[in-house]
Amino acid sequence: DAGITQSPRHKVTETGTPVTLRCHQTENHRYMYWYRQDPGHGLRLIHYSYGVKDTDKGEVSDGYSVSRSKTEDFLLTLESATSSQTSVYFCATHAYEVDGYTFGSGTRLTVV
Amino acid sequence: DAKTTQPPSMDCAEGRAANLPCNHSTISGNEYVYWYRQIHSQGPQYIIHGLKNNETNEMASLIITEDRKSSTLILPHATLRDTAVYYCIVRAMDSNYQLIWGAGTKLII
Repeated sequence: DAGITQSPRHKVTETGTPVTLRCHQTENHRYMYWYRQDPGHGLRLIHYSYGVKDTDKGEVSDGYSVSRSKTEDFLLTLESATSSQTSVYFCATHAYEVDGYTFGSGTRLTVV
Repeated sequence: DAKTTQPPSMDCAEGRAANLPCNHSTISGNEYVYWYRQIHSQGPQYIIHGLKNNETNEMASLIITEDRKSSTLILPHATLRDTAVYYCIVRAMDSNYQLIWGAGTKLII
């Protein structure tokens, strides 16, 4: 979707290095999410945000941190990347509780 | 665990209506039914959602049974571009914002 941009689209990094993925939205949506998708698993929630500086953990938050200093940006940081964090990462947003989510195009991260 | 059950795969001829079933027999009164689809390697795409009434938009129709224990997503005139994995998800508005994603239905046109 044109209103959500994930960067980078692809990244290869080494084990033990920090990595930050960015989700940028121009929709002024209140809610933002980070998911990961792996073969054999559905999308799994890592962290979410319900407003600026308001974030909480999802079901697979270990090894990840997030920050949301302004409405449009939601950053996902892998403090020290591991091979188990090789995955496709999706950002999603929505404005109101009942709305469907809008997803970004994803970031394919490979940790070697 | 996902709170919905869907067939793993379905086929549909191009130009025909695709009817995708979903069982959510444990749905609560405050839970909505959402449908998304994911075309290979793309981000999921929201299709439609409903609480108890049937819903229609430019993409699809959603039929929810009166007891709300199952629903059907209808793509009225399927095209090759509708080939995707379709996910049926139930979500309460007072949840901690989590969508529980199952394996979905692989629809092949």
